[in-house]
Amino acid sequence: EVQLVESGGGIVQPGGSLRLSCAASGFIFEGFWMHWVRQVPGKGLEWLSQINSDGSGTNYADSVRGRFTISRDNARNTVYLQMHSLRAEDTAIYYCARDKNPTVAGFDHWGQGALVTVSS
Amino acid sequence: EIVLTQSPATLSLSPGERATLSCRASQSIGSYLAWYQQKPGLAPRLLFYDVSNRAPGIPARFSGSGSGTDFTLTISSLEPEDFAIYYCQQRTNRPLHYTFGQGTRLDI
Repeated sequence: EVQLVESGGGIVQPGGSLRLSCAASGFIFEGFWMHWVRQVPGKGLEWLSQINSDGSGTNYADSVRGRFTISRDNARNTVYLQMHSLRAEDTAIYYCARDKNPTVAGFDHWGQGALVTVSS
Repeated sequence: EIVLTQSPATLSLSPGERATLSCRASQSIGSYLAWYQQKPGLAPRLLFYDVSNRAPGIPARFSGSGSGTDFTLTISSLEPEDFAIYYCQQRTNRPLHYTFGQGTRLDI
């Protein structure tokens, strides 16, 4: 069974940093692109970042480029999101998601989400 | 950036009725469109990838169609468990980027 489990969420002050982790199991992790998506509670979904299967390529939404960094450790079956210069508007539930296939559009498995609250 | 506009924002229907949800792109996206269902407190669930390819476990009452800029998610006969929020998502390749529509809430 495919499982994605996020951790590392919590409360952080404006301007602070936080690193989210997403531990994957039940599939060959190194064979899949991975993504981070966030959702302000009660609002819509926002794609944040993508990393390819070996970690050599990454892409970001304009809203987080230069502040957030996606990375992965295929030996640990884990994808990370390092977040710096956090703002109140970064408060959201952060999901990691597996890309179904690099040639199609669709994220076929999602974690349960990690809540990040940016507040003083 | 390509914008996806979903309509209606809210759709109120009864079990057994047919639901038609729309997603319009600000420019052509070919077939790079996915649909998701999200229930309260849960992560989104993939329904369709590349417009009309049903994800594993998705019932046949769900169907996806469209191309270019206009896409439709249809639920032929609503079951109680179908009442949720539905999002469309597009992908562009150069540079690689994804956007979601704002969602359609399907209310009982």
